[in-house]
Amino acid sequence: AQSVAQPEDQVNVAEGNPLTVKCTYSVSGNPYLFWYVQYPNRGLQFLLKYITGDNLVKGSYGFEAEFNKSQTSFHLKKPSALVSDSALYFCAVRDLGSGNTGKLIFGQGTTLQVKP
Amino acid sequence: DGGITQSPKYLFRKEGQNVTLSCEQNLNHDAMYWYRQDPGQGLRLIYYSQIVNDFQKGDIAEGYSVSREKKESFPLTVTSAQKNPTAFYLCASSPKGQGISNTEAFFGQGTRLTVV
Repeated sequence: AQSVAQPEDQVNVAEGNPLTVKCTYSVSGNPYLFWYVQYPNRGLQFLLKYITGDNLVKGSYGFEAEFNKSQTSFHLKKPSALVSDSALYFCAVRDLGSGNTGKLIFGQGTTLQVKP
Repeated sequence: DGGITQSPKYLFRKEGQNVTLSCEQNLNHDAMYWYRQDPGQGLRLIYYSQIVNDFQKGDIAEGYSVSREKKESFPLTVTSAQKNPTAFYLCASSPKGQGISNTEAFFGQGTRLTVV
């Protein structure tokens, strides 16, 4: 079965420091991976995706993610955190096991807290 | 502006009542989805539809029903059979076809349903 895991419920980082939010996946075949961000009582906003090509993917708001096939990971990173980055982050993988439905499988989410 | 509109933002349901959550999109997307979000559990798929007049159950469809009479609209009814309906509900859409696997899903702003 395909799955996504975010091993940390919360990540705390000081403003200006680099941040990493971890994600590991388990899929059959090539993964299609996504990161979304959610602010309180709002919908999910797309940050970036990995489909194929370069392992380092750049996205919105200065975020990037590194795809590592051998470690089955897709960690979200940012060189210098901002207080406004504080939010809930979701990693997701396309559910290719159910045919071409476009369904997403989500991790449980990681709360990022950036302190001034 | 193109996007997905969910209404209402907040909804209160009495015990034994059916309530309907609205989701409308003007992105010309064929596929639409309903997810339920509970704290610490990520997003779980309730129903999805890839084309008008057709829809499939997701992972937690019991106690819910949907319809897809128009491409733009995918309303979700939370029935009295859903024993624990208090949650944040998110609607999403994706284009259909070959691009569905590598295209990100777009999300509405969510509806928070509370049983009173």
